[in-house]
Amino acid sequence: GENVEQHPSTLSVQEGDSAVIKCTYSDSASNYFPWYKQELGKRPQLIIDIRSNVGEKKDQRIAVTLNKTAKHFSLHITETQPEDSAVYFCAAKGTMTSGTYKYIFGTGTRLKVLA
Amino acid sequence: EAGVAQSPRYKIIEKRQSVAFWCNPISGHATLYWYQQILGQGPKLLIQFQNNGVVDDSQLPKDRFSAERLKGVDSTLKIQPAKLEDSAVYLCASSPRPYTDTQYFGPGTRLTVL
Repeated sequence: GENVEQHPSTLSVQEGDSAVIKCTYSDSASNYFPWYKQELGKRPQLIIDIRSNVGEKKDQRIAVTLNKTAKHFSLHITETQPEDSAVYFCAAKGTMTSGTYKYIFGTGTRLKVLA
Repeated sequence: EAGVAQSPRYKIIEKRQSVAFWCNPISGHATLYWYQQILGQGPKLLIQFQNNGVVDDSQLPKDRFSAERLKGVDSTLKIQPAKLEDSAVYLCASSPRPYTDTQYFGPGTRLTVL
């Protein structure tokens, strides 16, 4: 079945450095790729997303890149701050043969920003 | 705009007992999802509703899990009987229109099965 692989599972960076999280998807029909931030005990919050007709999207310190040929996409956080510490999940949305769609989530990356 | 509401927030039961979770999506949202998030893993879709119809329940363990959304608004997810491996956070999410990309998540219900 479809799956999304996410790496690394944990990432520690010094405050002010950049962090990169990578995801690979298997369903070539996937056309929407959101990234969620989940703080301990809280709900996942959408932080940025990208559609398959775009190669890159940026929102202040956060950017996402998509390589459809290689079927991978990445989250880039620049000038990291302690409040960026959380678990980050990628997801891929694909259309099923029934015409409906589903989201497949990655396994998460625990980011720790060291002050 | 009020967010997705879920209750209870926490539940502790013994194995073989039954439990039910409730979700009220954002007003007017047609699509509702139930996810299971085991500690250290990403959310896994259990069931997806479009209004009051099921569009995907391929990963729902139907021998013990059931869900309904009778009036196309709020939804309940039931586990009967519970197993130890059902310990997880159960997240509800909704989307405003059919085939809209953005999902809004509720706070989740943390279930512990002893």
